[in-house]
Amino acid sequence: QVNLLQSGAALVKPGASVKLSCKASGYTFTDYYIHWVKQSHGKSLEWIGYINPNSGYTNYNEKFKSKATLTVDKSTNTAYMELSRLTSEDSATYYCTRLRYYDGTYYFDYWGQGVMVTVSS
Amino acid sequence: EIVLTQSPTTMAASPGEKVTLTCRASSSVSYMHWYQQRSGASPKLWIYETSKLASGVPNRFSGSGSGTSYSLTINSMETEDAATYYCQQGSSYPLTFGSGTKLEIK
Repeated sequence: QVNLLQSGAALVKPGASVKLSCKASGYTFTDYYIHWVKQSHGKSLEWIGYINPNSGYTNYNEKFKSKATLTVDKSTNTAYMELSRLTSEDSATYYCTRLRYYDGTYYFDYWGQGVMVTVSS
Repeated sequence: EIVLTQSPTTMAASPGEKVTLTCRASSSVSYMHWYQQRSGASPKLWIYETSKLASGVPNRFSGSGSGTSYSLTINSMETEDAATYYCQQGSSYPLTFGSGTKLEIK
């Protein structure tokens, strides 16, 4: 069965960086794009960007272009998101999710369990 | 960017009651997708391509709509349906979500 296993919660200081991981299993990793979504506490969902695990090509939401960097390691079926220059606005739960495509529309069929990032001194 | 507006923001329904949640898009989209999120859990794909139920979703749920107006309907509310429901458009980047409807049991 498809599973996206994310790394544990992180407590980081303002101005620092954090690298989150998302290990995929149960399907061919390179066949599906991995997307990342942010959910601030009690708020809605924001799309951050995606990576093509096969080519490494990335596409970002303009809002997160200078904040997030997406990478993959095909040898371990793992996707990563690094968040830099962290502020309190970055405190949130971050999800990795797998993209499905049909007839010109995209949606997310499997989600990781989420990782809570807390930015605090 | 396509903005999705969900209504109502919050509602409470009694067991057995029919419930309709609405999602309006700022531009026409080809399909709408819906996710259910229970407290403390990840979102789950619930309805995709406007009207298809994801695996395991009870058939008291249905989805409909076109263009800029879409809806999710629960034919007969059950306790386990209490959750927040988000719509999502996949027609153009950036992919966007609605602000959610929190559905509670009365």
